Amino acid sequence: AQTVTQSQPEMSVQEAETVTLSCTYDTSESDYYLFWYKQPPSRQMILVIRQEAYKQQNATENRFSVNFQKAAKSFSLKISDSQLGDAAMYFCAYRSRTNFGNEKLTFGTGTRLTIIP
Amino acid sequence: DSGVTQTPKHLITATGQRVTLRCSPRSGDLSVYWYQQSLDQGLQFLIQYYNGEERAKGNILERFSAQQFPDLHSELNLSSLELGDSALYFCASSALRGPQFFGPGTRLTVL
Repeated sequence: AQTVTQSQPEMSVQEAETVTLSCTYDTSESDYYLFWYKQPPSRQMILVIRQEAYKQQNATENRFSVNFQKAAKSFSLKISDSQLGDAAMYFCAYRSRTNFGNEKLTFGTGTRLTIIP
Repeated sequence: DSGVTQTPKHLITATGQRVTLRCSPRSGDLSVYWYQQSLDQGLQFLIQYYNGEERAKGNILERFSAQQFPDLHSELNLSSLELGDSALYFCASSALRGPQFFGPGTRLTVL
């Protein structure tokens, strides 16, 4: 079974600075997806960014980028120019790509990000 | 707005009761997923449906059941409710092999 670990329960960053959230995962599969979801105080789960394991290039979405290290099974999220609206719980998630029909997400325990004005 | 709708937003009920949570997926999405978010268990996958058929089961209790209807909306039925069932229940939808988009959730409180 796959597991996802987020070892930083809480982090804080000064507004306009850069912060990196860590995620590691364990799997025996070679083909999979990785995601970062954001959960603000409204509790809505919002997709931030995704990475396909077969792609070597790291995904980017505006101020959000990932550092995907497949051999190390590491998938960190970098937020540049942090804004007050980035304050939220961030969840790392794994999904198999080879197990067709079972597309469940396995989540980490989350990192609560605080933005300091 | 993800395009996934869930009703009701809040539900307060008593132990032993039965409730039904409803989800409408994004237009065109055939897959529907249910997740439970609680303080002690985190985000847990419950069940997946694809075009009306059950596709995968996770940590779903026998007291819980779900179905997906021909119009692709889905319902999650929770019966013989216990205090520990209090949680936020999310529905998500996706196109085949696409990313999952989540609804706003239903907050269930069992008293």
